[in-house]
Amino acid sequence: EAQVTQNPRYLITVTGKKLTVTCSQNMNHEYMSWYRQDPGLGLRQIYYSMNVEVTDKGDVPEGYKVSRKEKRNFPLILESPSPNQTSLYFCASREPQGARSTEAFFGQGTRLTVV
Amino acid sequence: QKEVEQNSGPLSVPEGAIASLNCTYSDRGSQSFFWYRQYSGKSPELIMFIYSNGDKEDGRFTAQLNKASQYVSLLIRDSQPSDSATYLCAVIRRMNYGGSQGNLIFGKGTKLSVKP
Repeated sequence: EAQVTQNPRYLITVTGKKLTVTCSQNMNHEYMSWYRQDPGLGLRQIYYSMNVEVTDKGDVPEGYKVSRKEKRNFPLILESPSPNQTSLYFCASREPQGARSTEAFFGQGTRLTVV
Repeated sequence: QKEVEQNSGPLSVPEGAIASLNCTYSDRGSQSFFWYRQYSGKSPELIMFIYSNGDKEDGRFTAQLNKASQYVSLLIRDSQPSDSATYLCAVIRRMNYGGSQGNLIFGKGTKLSVKP
């Protein structure tokens, strides 16, 4: 079954304690991205990756890091989480086909609370 | 102008009616447009995609695209209470370097409520 898997689904952590949210896809997609979703602000892109070892900032990258060492994995790293990073996070992957891109597949989401 | 704009709603329609959801976008060069449905706390799921001007129908859903007006809409016929969700419009933002790939950028979503 084609899927994007995020872990953990729920996480409560304290300010400053480094954490990693994992994302893995089994569709051999080149493109992966991370979004955060907040009430009234919609889905905002944090980082994206066009392929292995190729990553770039999205619209709200501050406070986050990513890596893409393998095609299937795209972890999101919060080196020093702060309460304003409390949010619902989604990982997504898709196979770009030129300008007429295809559907994005989303992970189940990770609800992060930073206290 | 925001890149992708939607009326946040809530849009309330009675069961069986047509729900009309609208979206405008700022990049005239955008070529790929998507409608996602998202239930509260769940992942977005693709409803429709459209690339060409005009209408595209899939069951009770019709997507309409007007590139000249930079406008894309979603019609839901015979609305059901199970259609109550937030509907997200998304477009592909072209890369600055002019490459053919792009980022999927979302509007804030319109909340739809279908009353029995």
